[in-house]
Amino acid sequence: AQSVAQPEDQVNVAEGNPLTVKCTYSVSGNPYLFWYVQYPNRGLQFLLKYITGDNLVKGSYGFEAEFNKSQTSFHLKKPSALVSDSALYFCAVRDGGGYQKVTFGTGTKLQVIP
Amino acid sequence: DGGITQSPKYLFRKEGQNVTLSCEQNLNHDAMYWYRQDPGQGLRLIYYSQIVNDFQKGDIAEGYSVSREKKESFPLTVTSAQKNPTAFYLCASSIIVGGTSNEQFFGPGTRLTVL
Repeated sequence: AQSVAQPEDQVNVAEGNPLTVKCTYSVSGNPYLFWYVQYPNRGLQFLLKYITGDNLVKGSYGFEAEFNKSQTSFHLKKPSALVSDSALYFCAVRDGGGYQKVTFGTGTKLQVIP
Repeated sequence: DGGITQSPKYLFRKEGQNVTLSCEQNLNHDAMYWYRQDPGQGLRLIYYSQIVNDFQKGDIAEGYSVSREKKESFPLTVTSAQKNPTAFYLCASSIIVGGTSNEQFFGPGTRLTVL
């Protein structure tokens, strides 16, 4: 069975500081990993994904994520946080290709303080 | 929110009523999904469909039904059998390439409240 964990319900960071939102996963095969962002009362927006290749993945709005196979992690990062980055962030995983369902984490609320 | 529309944005249901949530996409995506979002629980999959006239149950299908008569439409009915339907419902779609589904595109959601 596949699973994903976001250990922090909320992350607070000062504007201009680097931010990290943590995600760890568990799959039996090769992981397909995704990050999404949700603003209040809106649907989710896709940020980035890892399927294969370079462990550092770059995505939308200056976000990036690092795939670490040995630590089974896929942490989301940004060098300099903006107040507009404040939102709910979801990590998601799928066990391999083909069609299998995606499992979402419980979400991490990012609060960027001016 | 891309090319996926959900209606209505807010929906109120009385006890014992069935209600249908609409989801339409103009992205020509093969796969469509329905999720339920509750505070602190992330997204839970209700139903999904890879092709027209075919759909599969997700993790929490009890009390829900769907149809996929057209590629662009995937309506969800919340029946009276669903005991706790108050939640935020999200529809999504994804393209399938080489037999693999890719990232999902989400609609703006429907907030259902039981009175």
